[in-house]
Amino acid sequence: TQLLEQSPQFLSIQEGENLTVYCNSSSVFSSLQWYRQEPGEGPVLLVTVVTGGEVKKLKRLTFQFGDARKDSSLHITAAQPGDTGLYLCAFPNSNSGYALNFGKGTSLLVTP
Amino acid sequence: GAGVSQSPRYKVAKRGQDVALRCDPISGHVSLFWYQQALGQGPEFLTYFQNEAQLDKSGLPSDRFFAERPEGSVSTLKIQRTQQEDSAVYLCASSPRQGRATHEQYFGPGTRLTVT
Repeated sequence: TQLLEQSPQFLSIQEGENLTVYCNSSSVFSSLQWYRQEPGEGPVLLVTVVTGGEVKKLKRLTFQFGDARKDSSLHITAAQPGDTGLYLCAFPNSNSGYALNFGKGTSLLVTP
Repeated sequence: GAGVSQSPRYKVAKRGQDVALRCDPISGHVSLFWYQQALGQGPEFLTYFQNEAQLDKSGLPSDRFFAERPEGSVSTLKIQRTQQEDSAVYLCASSPRQGRATHEQYFGPGTRLTVT
């Protein structure tokens, strides 16, 4: 069974700080996605990474897929209160290929 | 444009009651998914529809859970004889792609079910 471990589970920082959250597994993934979920809302896709070593940037967010495609990181530069939310990583289920398996997420709070 | 909508947004049910949760996917989206998100957890897959066909229901926790999408658009998730462990947020997602390519899913806001 493929499992995703996300760390840290909770993170509380002040506006302007930098942070990195991690998504790790012992399995190799064909692709991996990062979502952000705000309270009372559904997850919103931020990025999909496919190639080992791939780096994608989305404004102040930088996503990296590990060379072996077993792990990924999300780095946020100069965090803002609007970045507050639950950051989830997910991968396509290896059996079905369409269902997504999610980690438990990192809950980020950015205070002014 | 219009996204995925779900109703009701909040539902309180007494243990033993039946509930029905509705999902309106993005127009034209072939694939529709239901996920269950317990407090402090990530979403967990329940079931998958491709048009009106329910191709995978392996994630449904018990035979009290039933989902349908009769005309290939709106879907309903029904839970019979609700139990306290059914309390969770139920998320619906849709995708314009089908089969093994349905990796980018658009989620609705969810229905928060509380069973008392």
